[in-house]
Amino acid sequence: AAGVIQSPRHLIKEKRETATLKCYPIPRHDTVYWYQQGPGQDPQFLISFYEKMQSDKGSIPDRFSAQQFSDYHSELNMSSLELGDSALYFCASSFSGSVLDEQYFGPGTRLTVT
Amino acid sequence: GIQVEQSPPDLILQEGANSTLRCNFSDSVNNLQWFHQNPWGQLINLFYIPSGTKQNGRLSATTVATERYSLLYISSSQTTDSGVYFCARIGWGGYQKVTFGIGTKLQVIP
Repeated sequence: AAGVIQSPRHLIKEKRETATLKCYPIPRHDTVYWYQQGPGQDPQFLISFYEKMQSDKGSIPDRFSAQQFSDYHSELNMSSLELGDSALYFCASSFSGSVLDEQYFGPGTRLTVT
Repeated sequence: GIQVEQSPPDLILQEGANSTLRCNFSDSVNNLQWFHQNPWGQLINLFYIPSGTKQNGRLSATTVATERYSLLYISSSQTTDSGVYFCARIGWGGYQKVTFGIGTKLQVIP
């Protein structure tokens, strides 16, 4: 079965650079979520989109922005990168027609800021 | 805010031993998930279990929604079971984010 695809899987950037993370949801899934997991921590919700509109917002820095496109893939744009942005970034997708809202997580993008 | 508490925070098992991980949540849930995060960082979904009991091989989970807790049982543990186990809740109302507990770090030694 198709899973959530994230690219790139690994990314190394320097401070003050920008980064773009991409997420391709499972076919037919219309909702995308982004999570950030710092070292030794649990994943924290950043932002979500349903049908290309922002549906919820968590602790996402103002330096970050995201959007969902017409083909339902999503991109997380991160500017003025800081050392503290080094983390695993997970994308998850779900289908709004599912009563139990199961979320399927991608393999993650490991971002290292030096 | 909504809390998801997991215990124990750390666990060391001898290979072949059994264990029970616990998750308490402070509010009612639409769904509850158990994840295994392997040493490479991948989050592997183990169970969606808003209530009742499910089994998958050596793993099983039980959620008692009315008492707001869930248990994950690992039997005959293997070294490949090592990693962090997260309990996570999904609230009601659609498009709900997943709220994770802090996890149980499990190490299975030969």
